[in-house]
Amino acid sequence: QKEVEQDPGPLSVPEGAIVSLNCTYSNSAFQYFMWYRQYSRKGPELLMYTYSSGNKEDGRFTAQVDKSSKYISLFIRDSQPSDSATYLCAMSAMIHDMRFGAGTRLTVKP
Amino acid sequence: GAVVSQHPSWVICKSGTSVKIECRSLDFQATTMFWYRQFPKQSLMLMATSNEGSKATYEQGVEKDKFLINHASLTLSTLTVTSAHPEDSSFYICSASNQPQHFGDGTRLSIL
Repeated sequence: QKEVEQDPGPLSVPEGAIVSLNCTYSNSAFQYFMWYRQYSRKGPELLMYTYSSGNKEDGRFTAQVDKSSKYISLFIRDSQPSDSATYLCAMSAMIHDMRFGAGTRLTVKP
Repeated sequence: GAVVSQHPSWVICKSGTSVKIECRSLDFQATTMFWYRQFPKQSLMLMATSNEGSKATYEQGVEKDKFLINHASLTLSTLTVTSAHPEDSSFYICSASNQPQHFGDGTRLSIL
């Protein structure tokens, strides 16, 4: 079993839809949770960073962490074609030992 | 947000050539930087952890004599792919940790 599981998709939605992206994990020591967005042929860009459980909102993006279920989510409201990218979840127990999900490829169609 | 610059963004070279990739943290000091490799449509694979002033820590299966890492200052780490061959062609990405990690834009390496 992988430490971090993420459905690679692809996921295709119409413009304006709410997108839900999820990851599950097995290591209960994880306490730092990140979501990165990666456009084709570019490095990952940090979208959301959460410590421990709870919700965090930034504009159209909301990150949720449920440590009891070992489940994290990223919601994108009013999705735009420019949101089309690969979304990577990442998590770590200590500062430097980050583990990545496989990434979910998202396409938002106009 | 933190800025990490990676150079070059794309390099094409002949088999047997050594290629150096630079990773700079522009607005913070990074005692630790990371080097990843990414194949098409796959996630990031950690190659090594670069520590300023000391030897890099390589992941299992990564040849340290093939992928030389130098982290001589708090803002610069370099990855040198020595005697590159076509199978070394890939997308190489660095990151610097300012909790969390911030990534460069990657280097596309093509070995002919």
